[in-house]
Amino acid sequence: GENVEQHPSTLSVQEGDSAVIKCTYSDSASNYFPWYKQELGKRPQLIIDIRSNVGEKKDQRIAVTLNKTAKHFSLHITETQPEDSAVYFCAASPGRDSWGKLQFGAGTQVVVTP
Amino acid sequence: GAGVSQSPSNKVTEKGKDVELRCDPISGHTALYWYRQSLGQGLEFLIYFQGNSAPDKSGLPSDRFSAERTGGSVSTLTIQRTQQEDSAVYLCASKTASGNYEQYFGPGTRLTVT
Repeated sequence: GENVEQHPSTLSVQEGDSAVIKCTYSDSASNYFPWYKQELGKRPQLIIDIRSNVGEKKDQRIAVTLNKTAKHFSLHITETQPEDSAVYFCAASPGRDSWGKLQFGAGTQVVVTP
Repeated sequence: GAGVSQSPSNKVTEKGKDVELRCDPISGHTALYWYRQSLGQGLEFLIYFQGNSAPDKSGLPSDRFSAERTGGSVSTLTIQRTQQEDSAVYLCASKTASGNYEQYFGPGTRLTVT
């Protein structure tokens, strides 16, 4: 089955700096790669996603890149702010249809210090 | 509209007892997923339902775990003879029709087995 690895497990950045989180996946058939943000005690919320027919997607300060050949994808947060502090999870959806369950990475604790 | 809801929000039970966790998906969402999140860990897929199709139970950790979805809406996750290792947050998510990949998460049920 699909296996998703996520690095680093913790990331401390100064406010205004950039943060990069990297994930690799094992199933070449995976076609959907979302990123979720989870604040302490809250539910995970989708912040950005990318499908396998796209190499890069950007939404304001957040961008995701996908390298299908290498089977890795990354989350980039620019101009970080204290409210970006949270746990971020990458995930991959195995299979060729959109009903598939998500296989999650272990998460990255991001701490943005003022 | 209303999001995904789960009940109870917290459940403390003694080892060996059975528990039932409930999920109310977003109205009209045909796919429903259950995940488990242990302390400081990522989300682990348990089971998903899609319309009237047979559920994908490939993530259930043992035969003590079962789930059903009545009338294509509300779902109940049942854990029999609970063990301490079952302690975790159980998250439910729902998704609309094929073509829209985003899963919307509920607030979770925190289960503590003493």
